[in-house]
Amino acid sequence: DSGVTQTPKHLITATGQRVTLRCSPRSGDLSVYWYQQSLDQGLQFLIQYYNGEERAKGNILERFSAQQFPDLHSELNLSSLELGDSALYFCASSVGASPTSEQYFGPGTRLTVT
Amino acid sequence: GQQLNQSPQSMFIQEGEDVSMNCTSSSIFNTWLWYKQDPGEGPVLLIALYKAGELTSNGRLTAQFGITRKDSFLNISASIPSDVGIYFCAGQPDNYGQNFVFGPGTRLSVLP
Repeated sequence: DSGVTQTPKHLITATGQRVTLRCSPRSGDLSVYWYQQSLDQGLQFLIQYYNGEERAKGNILERFSAQQFPDLHSELNLSSLELGDSALYFCASSVGASPTSEQYFGPGTRLTVT
Repeated sequence: GQQLNQSPQSMFIQEGEDVSMNCTSSSIFNTWLWYKQDPGEGPVLLIALYKAGELTSNGRLTAQFGITRKDSFLNISASIPSDVGIYFCAGQPDNYGQNFVFGPGTRLSVLP
């Protein structure tokens, strides 16, 4: 158990809908990262927040957005969902903001868009 | 942008055998991380490497940060069935502020 929690574990929704994924980092970690993993694909970095502020952006679509709240939990919002958005979405956390900080992953949310 | 290659893509080995896999790039990296992912689960951090030439062990796992800073190796000794999974390398590029780049993974199967 990495100490990172994600909810829900599974999510099934229809095209065009909007969903929110939630992540709570490990105790003491200030950075949260979001990743997308499609079937048989590697991990694609989406976005990083550090202590409530956006720190780095990766391959995140404009239909996707995220935020980190004062209690350090983070939410990833996915809107106007398309079939191709079906994937595993992982959250990771680390102590610092530095890119060299070791990242610990949550169990993921499996999103299925039908 | 920076890309990582992992080889082999997949491998089938007998229980008890040693395993070796690597991660390479044409770019220089400052930090290497190795993760293992079980089906439907999140990646679990195995080993972190911070200096060129560094050799670090974690039980039966040993990883090395290549001298050229463009590669890293992971070895597993005396494999057991629970070693089955996908092993990902992640490198932090030598550009200030760049986040980790993940390789496509090596899928390991262990035959009894």
